[in-house]
Amino acid sequence: EVRLVESGGGLVQPGGSLRLSCAVSGFTLSDYYIDWVRRAPGKGLEWVGRSRSQAKGYSTDFAASVKGRFSVSRDDSRNSVYLEMNSLRTEDSAMYYCTRTDNSILKDFDYWGQGTLVTVS
Amino acid sequence: QSVLTQPPSASGTPGQRVTISCSGSSSNIGSEGVNWYHQLPGRAPRLLIYYNNQRPSGVPDRFSGSKSGTSASLAISGLRSEDEADYYCAAWDDRLSGMLFGGGTKLTVL
Repeated sequence: EVRLVESGGGLVQPGGSLRLSCAVSGFTLSDYYIDWVRRAPGKGLEWVGRSRSQAKGYSTDFAASVKGRFSVSRDDSRNSVYLEMNSLRTEDSAMYYCTRTDNSILKDFDYWGQGTLVTVS
Repeated sequence: QSVLTQPPSASGTPGQRVTISCSGSSSNIGSEGVNWYHQLPGRAPRLLIYYNNQRPSGVPDRFSGSKSGTSASLAISGLRSEDEADYYCAAWDDRLSGMLFGGGTKLTVL
């Protein structure tokens, strides 16, 4: 069974940092992209960033709103992906989801975690 | 302001067919596949349609997707009360090198 479980959310002051974790199981992490998507209160879904598979050199992309402040790393041996968030702003407050993409069949975001809440205040 | 444009709301009665539109540009919908998701209150989003019109296993065939040029649409037939949710389209944008979501459409089942 494919599972993604986020953790690490919490309350942080503006300008602070936070590291979110996404623990995965039920598939080979190195074969898949992992994206982070967030939803702020009262707003819609917003894509945050992507970590590609080993075959794609683990390359990353980020939304303009977080570029230079957020980064993604992964440890395939620990089946985990990490979202490092620095210089946090109040507008970064949201539920953060990690999600899997099967790029071999262009299937974006086929499985999602339950989310972890980040509050910047 | 989303680059992919969806109507903010849609509604229908049980058993009806409703469609939700998603308009983009040549750098996203026009050149990439479109995905559709819905999100029920308090739940994580769920993939309904990928690559324009492909349905993942477990998604009822009441849900269907289509794409033409720089626009896409999601159709839901045989509307049910449990379909009441927020619906989002998404597509990769080659110019921005990022995934774009539509602003979301709140579907109400009357």
